[in-house]
Amino acid sequence: EVQLLESGGGLVQPGGSLRVSCAASGFSFSEYGMNWVRQAPGKGLEWVLGIGGSGGSITQLDSVKGRFTISRDNSKNMLYLQMNSLRVEDTAVYYCAKDLSGDSPHFDSWGQGTLVTVSS
Amino acid sequence: QSALTQPASVSGSPGQSITISCTGTSGDIGSDIGGRNYVSWYQRHPGKAPKLMIYEVTHRPSGVSNRFSGSKSGNTASLTISGLQAEDEADYYCSSFTNSATVIFGGGTKLTVL
Repeated sequence: EVQLLESGGGLVQPGGSLRVSCAASGFSFSEYGMNWVRQAPGKGLEWVLGIGGSGGSITQLDSVKGRFTISRDNSKNMLYLQMNSLRVEDTAVYYCAKDLSGDSPHFDSWGQGTLVTVSS
Repeated sequence: QSALTQPASVSGSPGQSITISCTGTSGDIGSDIGGRNYVSWYQRHPGKAPKLMIYEVTHRPSGVSNRFSGSKSGNTASLTISGLQAEDEADYYCSSFTNSATVIFGGGTKLTVL
């Protein structure tokens, strides 16, 4: 059974940094692209960044370019999101999501999310 | 890039069929990337993780009821649920890959089963 478990969320001040993690199990992690999707309070889902199975293909939302970095450690089955220069509008539940196959942009497994609150 | 446009809410009675629309642009829903069209639909019950219901416009993942079907015309994709059941009451989100190599979601549609 595929399991994705996010951790590392919390309260951070505007301009601060935070790293959230996603522990994956139940599938061959290195064979699948992974993504971070967020949901701000009262809003819909918003894809933020994606990374290929080997870590070599990264795509991201314009609003997070230069601030957020996605990475993965295939030896540990871990996905990471490093968030710098955080803004109030980055407040959201952050979900890691697995590609359906290879690098296809359909997400067939999701974690339960970790809440990131940016506030002074 | 703006979110895909979905109706905020739809409703139907048990046994009926409903359709949820999702409108984008020629840069996302209307775009065939590598000869394929990457439109997905997700179901989300309160407090639960989203569940993939439809991918590549019309395909259902294993385990998804055949009461769920997808289609596309031009820049608009649609999700149809036939034989509506109480358990179908949830939020539904469409998404599409874009020609900028990003993924864009719709704002979500709340389905109420009367």
